[in-house]
Amino acid sequence: DAKTTQPPSMDCAEGRAANLPCNHSTISGNEYVYWYRQIHSQGPQYIIHGLKNNETNEMASLIITEDRKSSTLILPHATLRDTAVYYCIVKAPAGNNRKLIWGLGTSLGVNP
Amino acid sequence: DVKVTQSSRYLVKRTGEKVFLECVQDMDHENMFWYRQDPGLGLRLIYFSYDVKMKEKGDIPEGYSVSREKKERFSLILESASTNQTSMYLCASSLGGSVRPEAFFGQGTRLTVV
Repeated sequence: DAKTTQPPSMDCAEGRAANLPCNHSTISGNEYVYWYRQIHSQGPQYIIHGLKNNETNEMASLIITEDRKSSTLILPHATLRDTAVYYCIVKAPAGNNRKLIWGLGTSLGVNP
Repeated sequence: DVKVTQSSRYLVKRTGEKVFLECVQDMDHENMFWYRQDPGLGLRLIYFSYDVKMKEKGDIPEGYSVSREKKERFSLILESASTNQTSMYLCASSLGGSVRPEAFFGQGTRLTVV
């Protein structure tokens, strides 16, 4: 599975959009991009995933570049409750390797 | 909503004790996972199971074993607890062979071995 690179930390003002980048330059054609977040002292929570097209759900939007070598998770109106560590993971969905390879993520601080 | 429940939120055990961490999921997921999480090291996979009675070693299986006798339950066993097993332990589950294999996590068990 491809490796990802994320900035260790970011800050965002409450009510503004938070844009979290992720580089995955070695991504393979069948690998999806997944985003999770982990609020302090809780288990990680799935946010969104995508293959090629941009995706949006009730939590966030995912923008994947045309060459698929990077992506951005967008929280359109960040709140204090969005303060968490955000993980970007790339992985093929099926096959024998069902593992998710976790990096250290980006610690997002949302400031009032 | 998918629910993954870990039996304890906090646990304190003595060195040398046999420790059981239990995890139950209610969504009929084929895959279940045990991770540990330590500061600066992120989540590391200990074991995973893709079916009842089936298991595979993850990245750090030494000192641990697992049991999956029923589809909904996946147990992590520390045969003889040591202080370097003090950590946050996270259980997760996911559908098997699916285009949507997102994992759902329990709330974690913070284990302290003294």
